[in-house]
Amino acid sequence: EDQVTQSPEALRLQEGESSSLNCSYTVSGLRGLFWYRQDPGKGPEFLFTLYSAGEEKEKERLKATLTKKESFLHITAPKPEDSATYLCAVQFRRALTFGSGTRLQVQP
Amino acid sequence: DVKVTQSSRYLVKRTGEKVFLECVQDMDHENMFWYRQDPGLGLRLIYFSYDVKMKEKGDIPEGYSVSREKKERFSLILESASTNQTSMYLCASSPRQGSINQPQHFGDGTRLSIL
Repeated sequence: EDQVTQSPEALRLQEGESSSLNCSYTVSGLRGLFWYRQDPGKGPEFLFTLYSAGEEKEKERLKATLTKKESFLHITAPKPEDSATYLCAVQFRRALTFGSGTRLQVQP
Repeated sequence: DVKVTQSSRYLVKRTGEKVFLECVQDMDHENMFWYRQDPGLGLRLIYFSYDVKMKEKGDIPEGYSVSREKKERFSLILESASTNQTSMYLCASSPRQGSINQPQHFGDGTRLSIL
């Protein structure tokens, strides 16, 4: 069965303390991996798409990487406004399969 | 920017009622999706549509149906609402895939409570 697992479930960081979120997947035929940010009471907001192992994408303090079995979302020197739930989704066939997300809290 | 608009942010209904959730997108996207989001379970796909009048079941279609009469509008219908359908419902859209899988863009959700 195709599965997407995110870890940790929750992460608390001090402002400026860099860390990484993990998204691992089991798949037969990955067609794209997507990262989203979700704020409370809002829908997910698209961040990145990765299509092949070795690919990297960056946006401000965020950098996403992809291997054949997992993806990492690296957060460098986070700020309190980076606090949110980060969702990973994988496209195996026609639709997305989402992980349960990592709740990130960045304290000033 | 892509805008996906869901008709209600909050909705309270009673068990047994027929409930309609509406979603409209303004970017001429071919693909539209309905998910529900529950704590600890993440987003789960209910139904999706790749064209007008076309629909496909997702992972949890039981108790739901959909309608897509116009390209920009995708409706989710709870035929006879039950308490276990209390959830956050999210609509999304994306352009036709072609050879590259495009990201989905989401609305802000409808928080539905069934009493």
